[in-house]
Amino acid sequence: GAVVSQHPSWVICKSGTSVKIECRSLDFQATTMFWYRQFPKQSLMLMATSNEGSKATYEQGVEKDKFLINHASLTLSTLTVTSAHPEDSSFYICSASTDVGYTFGSGTRLTVV
Amino acid sequence: GQQLNQSPQSMFIQEGEDVSMNCTSSSIFNTWLWYKQDPGEGPVLLIALYKAGELTSNGRLTAQFGITRKDSFLNISASIPSDVGIYFCAGLFTGTASKLTFGTGTRLQVTL
Repeated sequence: GAVVSQHPSWVICKSGTSVKIECRSLDFQATTMFWYRQFPKQSLMLMATSNEGSKATYEQGVEKDKFLINHASLTLSTLTVTSAHPEDSSFYICSASTDVGYTFGSGTRLTVV
Repeated sequence: GQQLNQSPQSMFIQEGEDVSMNCTSSSIFNTWLWYKQDPGEGPVLLIALYKAGELTSNGRLTAQFGITRKDSFLNISASIPSDVGIYFCAGLFTGTASKLTFGTGTRLQVTL
């Protein structure tokens, strides 16, 4: 079945540094991937839609200069949290559309200290 | 962003009991998906529904796509401890921006 691999599974960084999260489709090509953020005990909130070869589409209220998305190939999308601050600490999850629905990565727990 | 109303918010049940949860929306969807999320993991697809009125089963799970296209329910029969987790519904209206809209989640606890 379609597998989406997300890396790293967790990361701790200092305030002011940048962190890159990778999302790979392992056995299929994904022209579109999605990035979500999930705070504790809350639902998934869509941050942006990542489009291969073009600019990402950001949801209202999401700062595109802070959350940089690159989708340079059909199997890889990256999310870079720039100048991270403690309030950016969250669970970030990517997903891709497949023929059986939307498949999700295993998530990345970001803690900014 | 928009969220779907999911109920109940949480459930505490005994092993062997049946569970029912539902999801309602003010907007119509042409696809409903049900996911389960374990702590520290991404959601895993349980059932996908593509047609109004559709009733689909996956083992002990049964889900239905409401006739009005604004709601869906998920039933779990004879619950077991590994059913513990958070269940999310998600609606999709395919078009130029095919984005999933998630429900608020139902947290299920199963006691022995």
